[in-house]
Amino acid sequence: NAGVMQNPRHLVRRRGQEARLRCSPMKGHSHVYWYRQLPEEGLKFMVYLQKENIIDESGMPKERFSAEFPKEGPSILRIQQVVRGDSAAYFCASSHLGEGHQPQHFGDGTRLSIL
Amino acid sequence: EDKVVQSPLSLVVHEGDTVTLNCSYEVTNFRSLLWYKQEKKAPTFLFMLTSSGIEKKSGRLSSILDKKELFSILNITATQTGDSAVYLCAVALNTGTASKLTFGTGTRLQVTL
Repeated sequence: NAGVMQNPRHLVRRRGQEARLRCSPMKGHSHVYWYRQLPEEGLKFMVYLQKENIIDESGMPKERFSAEFPKEGPSILRIQQVVRGDSAAYFCASSHLGEGHQPQHFGDGTRLSIL
Repeated sequence: EDKVVQSPLSLVVHEGDTVTLNCSYEVTNFRSLLWYKQEKKAPTFLFMLTSSGIEKKSGRLSSILDKKELFSILNITATQTGDSAVYLCAVALNTGTASKLTFGTGTRLQVTL
């Protein structure tokens, strides 16, 4: 398994519940990025993390959304008290540590549906 | 605000045709431009371009960047039905060791028999 792994592939939540999306980067990658894709729109950057650090969260809503990338285990994107507008595909990407000109490689995404 | 614009939004061609997809950008701190192909799942990486005028080629696909005029093109020759996908253009901004991507909305290509 060499690719970026995301789970679950599909997640259904009711309004007000919490959603947790997981991402394991490619082997050897320690930079993780989360993007959101709304229907008929391009991917929008949310947050960029390295191990145990949030480097850039300029694209992430200030409330209800949080992200982490612990020393051990996958990166987690957490959405609290979900609303209908959170329905989207959430993609994770990773790139190699220490090389400034490396492409990001994407996982298959998690499709979040809010009832 | 950083902006990436792709054209056309969608395109229908016959198998065997050649297509050219366009991407223009207005960003601060440009680092590189990337093309991805997105079918139903993950965007898959095609090309990364950092220098003007140097064509990158992979089989029937090729791409070139013009940093003076701020655009790139992606060419696909002898198209096949398997080329049907959304083609995404993204610009990497220079924000440190690794860069976030700003994406265009994509060009949806449909190749018919």
